[in-house]
Amino acid sequence: GAVVSQHPSWVICKSGTSVKIECRSLDFQATTMFWYRQFPKQSLMLMATSNEGSKATYEQGVEKDKFLINHASLTLSTLTVTSAHPEDSSFYICSATTVAAENTGELFFGEGSRLTVL
Amino acid sequence: LAKTTQPISMDSYEGQEVNITCSHNNIATNDYITWYQQFPSQGPRFIIQGYKTKVTNEVASLFIPADRKSSTLSLPRVSLSDTAVYYCLVGDMTGNNRKLIWGLGTSLAVNP
Repeated sequence: GAVVSQHPSWVICKSGTSVKIECRSLDFQATTMFWYRQFPKQSLMLMATSNEGSKATYEQGVEKDKFLINHASLTLSTLTVTSAHPEDSSFYICSATTVAAENTGELFFGEGSRLTVL
Repeated sequence: LAKTTQPISMDSYEGQEVNITCSHNNIATNDYITWYQQFPSQGPRFIIQGYKTKVTNEVASLFIPADRKSSTLSLPRVSLSDTAVYYCLVGDMTGNNRKLIWGLGTSLAVNP
């Protein structure tokens, strides 16, 4: 099946620094990728939809200047948490779909990246 | 976007069949029903998807009545490794309209 890989799987940083998380589709081209955030014991919350070669579409309440998303190629999207603060500590997950799965809408998820801001 | 309702938690024992029912009274004509499984600190994994009647794959079955206002995920002979959170999602996933609302899911605990 289609494989989506995230890196790093976990990261600890100091308050005020920026952290970049990569999401790669390893064996397929993903024209659209999605970024989610999940707090402990809570469900996934869609943050933004990332389209290759264009600006990301952010969900209401998500600060686009704080969560920078770049989708420069068909296999890579990055999420940069700028000036991170402890309240940004969360589990960040990306997903993508394949051309073959577009009609069914099956999403393939990365392993997730746990961010801890001290 | 259709809202889904499913039990917060369920308990079962190894070898039993587990059925998790999801209500989606406001499902739209173009909406598909998709179930995902999520283990702690991992991304969700696709289990099964259907539109109507019954769908079966190597890991689960999905039963959808004619009115499509609910669906039941059936896991045959569960094992300890099936302990996870199961999410029921409803939406039209074609084209760019792939915004799905994730509920809290059903936390399934399989006991020895």
